[in-house]
Amino acid sequence: AQSVTQPDIHITVSEGASLELRCNYSYGATPYLFWYVQSPGQGLQLLLKYFSGDTLVQGIKGFEAEFKRSQSSFNLRKPSVHWSDAAEYFCAVGDNNAGNMLTFGGGTRLMVKP
Amino acid sequence: ETGVTQSPTHLIKTRGQQVTLRCSSQSGHNTVSWYQQALGQGPQFIFQYYREEENGRGNFPPRFSGLQFPNYSSELNVNALELDDSALYLCASRAGLAGEQFFGPGTRLTVL
Repeated sequence: AQSVTQPDIHITVSEGASLELRCNYSYGATPYLFWYVQSPGQGLQLLLKYFSGDTLVQGIKGFEAEFKRSQSSFNLRKPSVHWSDAAEYFCAVGDNNAGNMLTFGGGTRLMVKP
Repeated sequence: ETGVTQSPTHLIKTRGQQVTLRCSSQSGHNTVSWYQQALGQGPQFIFQYYREEENGRGNFPPRFSGLQFPNYSSELNVNALELDDSALYLCASRAGLAGEQFFGPGTRLTVL
Protein backbone atom coordinates (compact mmCIF):
# COMPACT_ATOMS: atom_id res chain seq x y z
CA ALA A 1 0.00 0.00 0.00
CA GLN A 2 1.18 3.48 -0.72
CA SER A 3 2.08 5.84 2.12
CA VAL A 4 3.56 9.28 2.67
CA THR A 5 5.58 10.44 5.66
CA GLN A 6 6.31 14.02 6.56
CA PRO A 7 8.79 13.77 9.43
CA ASP A 8 8.49 17.37 10.61
CA ILE A 9 5.19 18.28 12.24
CA HIS A 10 6.19 21.91 12.87
CA ILE A 11 8.89 24.08 11.36
CA THR A 12 9.68 27.69 12.21
CA VAL A 13 11.85 29.83 9.96
CA SER A 14 12.69 33.50 9.86
CA GLU A 15 11.33 35.63 7.07
CA GLY A 16 13.84 35.70 4.23
CA ALA A 17 15.46 32.43 5.23
CA SER A 18 15.46 29.35 3.05
CA LEU A 19 13.02 26.49 3.61
CA GLU A 20 13.04 22.76 3.05
CA LEU A 21 10.08 20.53 3.95
CA ARG A 22 10.72 16.82 3.90
CA CYS A 23 8.54 14.15 2.31
CA ASN A 24 9.19 10.42 2.01
CA TYR A 25 6.90 8.08 0.13
CA SER A 26 6.31 4.40 -0.30
CA TYR A 27 4.85 3.35 -3.63
CA GLY A 28 5.20 0.20 -5.70
CA ALA A 29 5.28 1.74 -9.16
CA THR A 30 6.16 5.08 -10.70
CA PRO A 31 4.98 7.62 -8.16
CA TYR A 32 2.90 10.63 -8.97
CA LEU A 33 3.82 13.17 -6.32
CA PHE A 34 2.17 16.38 -5.25
CA TRP A 35 2.61 19.23 -2.78
CA TYR A 36 -0.41 21.14 -1.51
CA VAL A 37 -0.71 24.13 0.81
CA GLN A 38 -3.63 24.75 3.18
CA SER A 39 -4.20 28.11 4.83
CA PRO A 40 -6.72 28.48 7.69
CA GLY A 41 -10.27 28.42 6.35
CA GLN A 42 -9.06 27.64 2.86
CA GLY A 43 -9.13 24.54 0.73
CA LEU A 44 -6.01 22.80 -0.45
CA GLN A 45 -4.09 24.55 -3.22
CA LEU A 46 -1.75 22.67 -5.53
CA LEU A 47 1.82 24.01 -5.41
CA LEU A 48 3.46 21.58 -7.83
CA LYS A 49 3.50 18.00 -9.04
CA TYR A 50 5.90 15.44 -10.45
CA PHE A 51 5.21 12.42 -12.60
CA SER A 52 8.10 12.12 -15.04
CA GLY A 53 10.99 13.94 -16.65
CA ASP A 54 13.17 16.50 -14.92
CA THR A 55 13.46 15.60 -11.25
CA LEU A 56 13.48 19.27 -10.20
CA VAL A 57 9.97 20.66 -10.48
CA GLN A 58 9.03 24.32 -10.33
CA GLY A 59 5.73 25.38 -8.82
CA ILE A 60 3.75 28.43 -7.92
CA LYS A 61 4.71 31.05 -5.32
CA GLY A 62 8.43 30.41 -5.86
CA PHE A 63 8.39 26.82 -4.58
CA GLU A 64 10.31 23.93 -6.10
CA ALA A 65 10.66 20.25 -5.25
CA GLU A 66 13.20 17.60 -6.11
CA PHE A 67 12.32 13.97 -6.73
CA LYS A 68 14.99 11.51 -5.55
CA ARG A 69 14.03 7.96 -6.38
CA SER A 70 16.99 6.44 -4.52
CA GLN A 71 15.86 8.12 -1.30
CA SER A 72 12.11 7.85 -1.96
CA SER A 73 11.90 11.55 -1.25
CA PHE A 74 10.18 14.58 -2.72
CA ASN A 75 11.29 17.55 -0.61
CA LEU A 76 9.81 20.99 -1.05
CA ARG A 77 12.09 24.04 -1.07
CA LYS A 78 11.91 27.79 -1.25
CA PRO A 79 14.98 30.07 -1.30
CA SER A 80 13.43 32.94 0.66
CA VAL A 81 10.32 32.58 2.80
CA HIS A 82 7.71 35.32 3.08
CA TRP A 83 5.39 35.81 6.07
CA SER A 84 2.45 34.89 3.82
CA ASP A 85 3.92 31.38 3.38
CA ALA A 86 2.85 30.47 6.93
CA ALA A 87 0.42 27.58 6.42
CA GLU A 88 0.12 23.79 6.51
CA TYR A 89 1.89 21.89 3.75
CA PHE A 90 0.92 18.43 2.57
CA CYS A 91 2.80 16.00 0.41
CA ALA A 92 0.71 13.42 -1.46
CA VAL A 93 1.09 10.48 -3.82
CA GLY A 94 -1.48 9.50 -6.43
CA ASP A 95 -2.25 6.82 -8.97
CA ASN A 96 -1.85 9.16 -11.91
CA ASN A 97 -0.65 12.60 -12.83
CA ALA A 98 -4.11 14.06 -12.40
CA GLY A 99 -4.11 13.50 -8.67
CA ASN A 100 -6.94 11.03 -8.40
CA MET A 101 -7.46 9.27 -5.07
CA LEU A 102 -4.54 10.88 -3.31
CA THR A 103 -2.76 9.52 -0.26
CA PHE A 104 -1.59 12.43 1.89
CA GLY A 105 1.09 12.75 4.50
CA GLY A 106 0.30 14.11 7.94
CA GLY A 107 1.37 17.63 7.03
CA THR A 108 3.98 20.13 8.21
CA ARG A 109 2.90 23.37 9.83
CA LEU A 110 5.16 26.24 8.82
CA MET A 111 5.50 29.27 11.03
CA VAL A 112 7.41 32.35 9.86
CA LYS A 113 9.15 34.67 12.32
CA PRO A 114 9.42 38.35 11.41
CA GLU B 1 -16.53 31.45 -12.80
CA THR B 2 -17.18 30.28 -9.23
CA GLY B 3 -14.93 27.79 -7.51
CA VAL B 4 -15.85 24.72 -5.49
CA THR B 5 -18.31 25.55 -2.73
CA GLN B 6 -19.41 23.46 0.24
CA SER B 7 -22.28 23.72 2.66
CA PRO B 8 -22.73 24.05 5.50
CA THR B 9 -19.51 25.59 6.79
CA HIS B 10 -19.90 24.10 10.25
CA LEU B 11 -22.20 21.44 11.65
CA ILE B 12 -22.72 19.89 15.06
CA LYS B 13 -24.40 16.50 15.43
CA THR B 14 -24.75 13.90 18.15
CA ARG B 15 -23.58 10.32 18.04
CA GLY B 16 -25.92 8.02 16.13
CA GLN B 17 -27.41 10.77 13.97
CA GLN B 18 -27.14 11.05 10.20
CA VAL B 19 -25.61 13.96 8.26
CA THR B 20 -25.57 15.20 4.68
CA LEU B 21 -22.84 17.45 3.37
CA ARG B 22 -23.07 19.22 0.03
CA CYS B 23 -20.60 20.23 -2.64
CA SER B 24 -21.08 22.34 -5.75
CA SER B 25 -18.49 21.63 -8.39
CA GLN B 26 -16.61 24.26 -10.29
CA SER B 27 -18.30 25.04 -13.60
CA GLY B 28 -17.52 22.42 -16.26
CA HIS B 29 -16.28 19.83 -13.75
CA ASN B 30 -17.88 16.38 -13.83
CA THR B 31 -15.69 14.56 -11.30
CA VAL B 32 -15.99 15.04 -7.55
CA SER B 33 -13.86 13.56 -4.79
CA TRP B 34 -14.43 13.63 -1.04
CA TYR B 35 -11.77 13.60 1.66
CA GLN B 36 -11.91 13.44 5.46
CA GLN B 37 -9.33 15.47 7.39
CA ALA B 38 -9.20 14.77 11.11
CA LEU B 39 -7.65 17.42 13.32
CA GLY B 40 -3.88 17.49 12.96
CA GLN B 41 -3.83 14.93 10.16
CA GLY B 42 -3.67 14.87 6.40
CA PRO B 43 -6.79 14.33 4.30
CA GLN B 44 -7.94 10.77 3.67
CA PHE B 45 -9.66 9.80 0.43
CA ILE B 46 -13.26 8.67 0.93
CA PHE B 47 -14.60 8.21 -2.62
CA GLN B 48 -14.82 9.73 -6.07
CA TYR B 49 -17.74 10.20 -8.45
CA TYR B 50 -17.45 10.58 -12.21
CA ARG B 51 -20.52 11.29 -14.31
CA GLU B 52 -22.83 10.28 -11.44
CA GLU B 53 -21.11 6.91 -10.82
CA GLU B 54 -18.77 6.02 -7.97
CA ASN B 55 -15.44 5.08 -9.56
CA GLY B 56 -13.11 4.80 -6.60
CA ARG B 57 -13.37 4.34 -2.87
CA GLY B 58 -10.96 4.56 0.03
CA ASN B 59 -10.95 2.57 3.24
CA PHE B 60 -14.22 3.86 4.69
CA PRO B 61 -17.20 1.80 5.92
CA PRO B 62 -20.49 1.61 3.97
CA ARG B 63 -22.15 4.10 6.31
CA PHE B 64 -20.24 6.69 4.27
CA SER B 65 -22.16 7.05 1.03
CA GLY B 66 -22.47 9.60 -1.71
CA LEU B 67 -24.40 10.87 -4.66
CA GLN B 68 -23.58 12.92 -7.70
CA PHE B 69 -26.39 14.74 -9.46
CA PRO B 70 -26.88 15.50 -13.17
CA ASN B 71 -25.53 19.01 -12.60
CA TYR B 72 -22.44 17.29 -11.07
CA SER B 73 -23.00 18.66 -7.60
CA SER B 74 -22.50 16.03 -4.92
CA GLU B 75 -23.57 14.92 -1.47
CA LEU B 76 -21.72 12.99 1.20
CA ASN B 77 -23.96 11.11 3.62
CA VAL B 78 -22.77 9.62 6.88
CA ASN B 79 -25.09 7.37 8.89
CA ALA B 80 -24.83 6.34 12.54
CA LEU B 81 -22.33 9.07 13.36
CA GLU B 82 -19.44 8.22 15.67
CA LEU B 83 -17.26 10.56 17.67
CA ASP B 84 -14.32 9.78 15.36
CA ASP B 85 -16.28 11.15 12.42
CA SER B 86 -15.51 14.64 13.73
CA ALA B 87 -13.36 16.17 11.02
CA LEU B 88 -13.08 18.65 8.17
CA TYR B 89 -14.70 17.17 5.06
CA LEU B 90 -13.20 18.39 1.82
CA CYS B 91 -14.69 18.19 -1.61
CA ALA B 92 -12.66 18.54 -4.81
CA SER B 93 -13.77 18.76 -8.41
CA ARG B 94 -12.08 18.39 -11.76
CA ALA B 95 -12.94 18.16 -15.43
CA GLY B 96 -12.90 14.50 -16.43
CA LEU B 97 -10.36 12.23 -14.77
CA ALA B 98 -7.27 14.12 -15.90
CA GLY B 99 -8.01 17.77 -15.26
CA GLU B 100 -6.46 19.72 -12.43
CA GLN B 101 -8.26 19.18 -9.13
CA PHE B 102 -9.63 22.12 -7.15
CA PHE B 103 -10.60 21.84 -3.48
CA GLY B 104 -13.41 23.56 -1.63
CA PRO B 105 -12.94 25.15 1.81
CA GLY B 106 -14.52 22.21 3.60
CA THR B 107 -17.29 21.51 6.10
CA ARG B 108 -16.28 21.19 9.75
CA LEU B 109 -18.33 18.41 11.36
CA THR B 110 -18.36 18.00 15.12
CA VAL B 111 -19.95 14.89 16.62
CA LEU B 112 -20.80 15.09 20.32
